[in-house]
Amino acid sequence: EAQVTQNPRYLITVTGKKLTVTCSQNMNHEYMSWYRQDPGLGLRQIYYSMNVEVTDKGDVPEGYKVSRKEKRNFPLILESPSPNQTSLYFCASSSGGAYNEQFFGPGTRLTVL
Amino acid sequence: GQQLNQSPQSMFIQEGEDVSMNCTSSSIFNTWLWYKQDPGEGPVLLIALYKAGELTSNGRLTAQFGITRKDSFLNISASIPSDVGIYFCAGLLGRAAGNKLTFGGGTRVLVKP
Repeated sequence: EAQVTQNPRYLITVTGKKLTVTCSQNMNHEYMSWYRQDPGLGLRQIYYSMNVEVTDKGDVPEGYKVSRKEKRNFPLILESPSPNQTSLYFCASSSGGAYNEQFFGPGTRLTVL
Repeated sequence: GQQLNQSPQSMFIQEGEDVSMNCTSSSIFNTWLWYKQDPGEGPVLLIALYKAGELTSNGRLTAQFGITRKDSFLNISASIPSDVGIYFCAGLLGRAAGNKLTFGGGTRVLVKP
């Protein structure tokens, strides 16, 4: 089954404790992206990757890092989480072509205390 | 970054009613997308629009890409209870802009009590 998976689905952590949210897709997609969703703000892009070893900032990259060492994986790293990073996070992937349907993962709900 | 204004923010539907929502932008987009998000899940693509003026249907859903390329609307005809959820519009510039999706704030569709 074609899908985007994220882990963990739920995470409660404390300020300053480094964490990684994993994202994996099995569709051989070139393009992957991370979004955060906050009430009333829709989804805002954090980082995206056009291909392996190619990443770039989205609209709200501060406080986040990403890496794209393999095509299928695109982890999101919070080196020193803060309470304002409490949010619902989605990973998405697409073939990156003209018909750019982005497939979203199920989401990771992160709470930073 | 670019902003998409989506309205209404929320609406109540009664089974059988037609509903409409729209999105406007201060900037042009090359593609407009409409997504639906059910509770606890990631957004799922409903309709994609690729040309200014394009009118596209998907079952009871109809969406149009505005002539100015700065707006789009989504209509749902003969609504049913499973239409409840959050609907997002999203604009896409294309590969040259990193295939970045810009989302509206969402329209929450609820059932009239």
